[in-house]
Amino acid sequence: DVKVTQSSRYLVKRTGEKVFLECVQDMDHENMFWYRQDPGLGLRLIYFSYDVKMKEKGDIPEGYSVSREKKERFSLILESASTNQTSMYLCASSSLEAGGTNEQFFGPGTRLTVL
Amino acid sequence: QQQVKQSPQSLIVQKGGISIINCAYENTAFDYFPWYQQFPGKGPALLIAIRPDVSEKKEGRFTISFNKSAKQFSLHIMDSQPGDSATYFCAASTDIYSGAGSYQLTFGKGTKLSVIP
Repeated sequence: DVKVTQSSRYLVKRTGEKVFLECVQDMDHENMFWYRQDPGLGLRLIYFSYDVKMKEKGDIPEGYSVSREKKERFSLILESASTNQTSMYLCASSSLEAGGTNEQFFGPGTRLTVL
Repeated sequence: QQQVKQSPQSLIVQKGGISIINCAYENTAFDYFPWYQQFPGKGPALLIAIRPDVSEKKEGRFTISFNKSAKQFSLHIMDSQPGDSATYFCAASTDIYSGAGSYQLTFGKGTKLSVIP
């Protein structure tokens, strides 16, 4: 089974702190994604990566950056956390397989609270 | 921005009843339509998916109905059970070989389903 793990389930940080959210997948997937999930707003794509060292902005990249130095690891960075970044953060991965289904496999999420 | 509009936002169904969630899309290049199921404290997981060359796909109690001309698709849960209580997301993407960005999924905003005994 594909496994996507996230470094923390719950995280509490203070305004202005630099925050690192880590995601690791064990299925050699090319694509990795970071979403945030807020009530009534669904899943919104922050950044994604389709290869090592490659990154693309999603719908809401402002205030975030990402790093992908290894294929299995994709990090989300909040350079200076703000209270409006309090949210559930979900990481996902997928693979480009011939005739594939474009299925994304999600981690359990990190609930970040910024005080 | 490509959108997928999902309704209703929340749904309460009696045990044994039929749950119906609807989605509509605008981009005619979409050709893969999955539904994801998310239980509290968990990440979403693929439930069922359809391509537009068929009008219906059934897996157990879950059925996707697809209307290409209306650009709409829906999830039907037959004989709904309390264990089906979860948040459901519809999504859409272009074929994975269509070009750059096609591996993205555009998600609806979700429907919170509660099945009461």
